[in-house]
Amino acid sequence: QLQLQESGPGLVKPSETLSLTCTVSGGSISSSTYYWGWIRQPPGKGLECIGKIYYSGITYYNPSLESRVTISVDTSKNHFSLRLSSVTAADTAVYYCARHNRGAGPSALDYWGQGTLITVSS
Amino acid sequence: IQLTQSPSSLSASVGDRVTITCRASEGISSYLAWYQQKPGKAPKLLIYTASTLQGGVPSRFSGSGSGTDFTLTISSLQPEDFATYYCQELNNYPYTFGPGTKLEIK
Repeated sequence: QLQLQESGPGLVKPSETLSLTCTVSGGSISSSTYYWGWIRQPPGKGLECIGKIYYSGITYYNPSLESRVTISVDTSKNHFSLRLSSVTAADTAVYYCARHNRGAGPSALDYWGQGTLITVSS
Repeated sequence: IQLTQSPSSLSASVGDRVTITCRASEGISSYLAWYQQKPGKAPKLLIYTASTLQGGVPSRFSGSGSGTDFTLTISSLQPEDFATYYCQELNNYPYTFGPGTKLEIK
């Protein structure tokens, strides 16, 4: 059974960089069928895709965040990572990692991590 | 691409038939997914390509539509179906989500 697990500090100071890692277990991150993505959800609000990455390193970013986002992949460790720079209180959210299945419609999110709450505060 | 959902909230009873609508600001063919989210949990994929049921999802859930107008139907509500439902377009990244429909117990 595929599992995704987010890890990283839960509190980030304004203007600093948020860093999260998603470790994938029960399957290989190097499969050609999948992209790996980050999604966030501010408290009490809706969902927003941040970016996605292919095992080869190809990335797609949300244009609204592109200037501050970097997503990377480490196939040897079967994990991928998110960096979001110059954070503000507006970046406070639950951050999820998830799998985009290219065989499902054409890129539906079929496996999700449990999510981790990141609070931006001094 | 912008997505709207209606209604934004809905009260219904166990056994009711419920329909949620999602409308896209431009045509997205059948590239639409539906998710269910319960409080404190990650979203769960229900349907992709507008009408294909994800494995393990009960058959009381169904989806239809193409172009700009889509629906999610639950044929007979069960207690575990009370949650928030989101549509998501999969035509162009960043794959916008709809604002959600909260389904509550009457």
